[in-house]
Amino acid sequence: NSKVIQTPRYLVKGQGQKAKMRCIPEKGHPVVFWYQQNKNNEFKFLINFQNQEVLQQIDMTEKRFSAECPSNSPCSLEIQSSEAGDSALYLCASTGTLSNERLFFGHGTKLSVL
Amino acid sequence: GDQVEQSPSALSLHEGTDSALRCNFTTTMRSVQWFRQNSRGSLISLFYLASGTKENGRLKSAFDSKERRYSTLHIRDAQLEDSGTYFCAAEAANTGKLTFGDGTVLTVKP
Repeated sequence: NSKVIQTPRYLVKGQGQKAKMRCIPEKGHPVVFWYQQNKNNEFKFLINFQNQEVLQQIDMTEKRFSAECPSNSPCSLEIQSSEAGDSALYLCASTGTLSNERLFFGHGTKLSVL
Repeated sequence: GDQVEQSPSALSLHEGTDSALRCNFTTTMRSVQWFRQNSRGSLISLFYLASGTKENGRLKSAFDSKERRYSTLHIRDAQLEDSGTYFCAAEAANTGKLTFGDGTVLTVKP
């Protein structure tokens, strides 16, 4: 039921390498979220955007990730130097407004850092 | 601290039976969503509730409209394809922050 498109589906990187994943939000959705889901099924909020602007991000994202949502291009999330602990499912979600609206998720990018 | 307590953590049902999942919230929530995640990781949106109940086929969800401190997901006549991990996610009324439950791993057996 979701039209959020994430690529690639799987990503394998060595430690220290960059890891970049992309997300095309559902058409007409200006708000985009990135979450990290670990092997224990725990969700961690990473960053969100409204249009091209970052609204909130956690410390880890600010220090180690590069993220953007340019107009007319996919949003992207890139780990600058991958660590083993970054292995997780990265989920992108979009919605119409910042609150009180349903979130639609993409299929996720499963990152394995060897 | 954790604001969403989801139970049970795992559930095994025989086909055709009914059951319910529950999420308790330690603070007042503005809205709640329920998702099912399949084995490939895809999160499928089942319900979004700001209050009251919603029903879709064999699934029904309720969000306590008074205290806004819990939500339930009822599964009627469970089928094999209902197997997966179910998550609730609730938006705090004061902060707007979305918090996920730890998930319920549902296995439906023939």
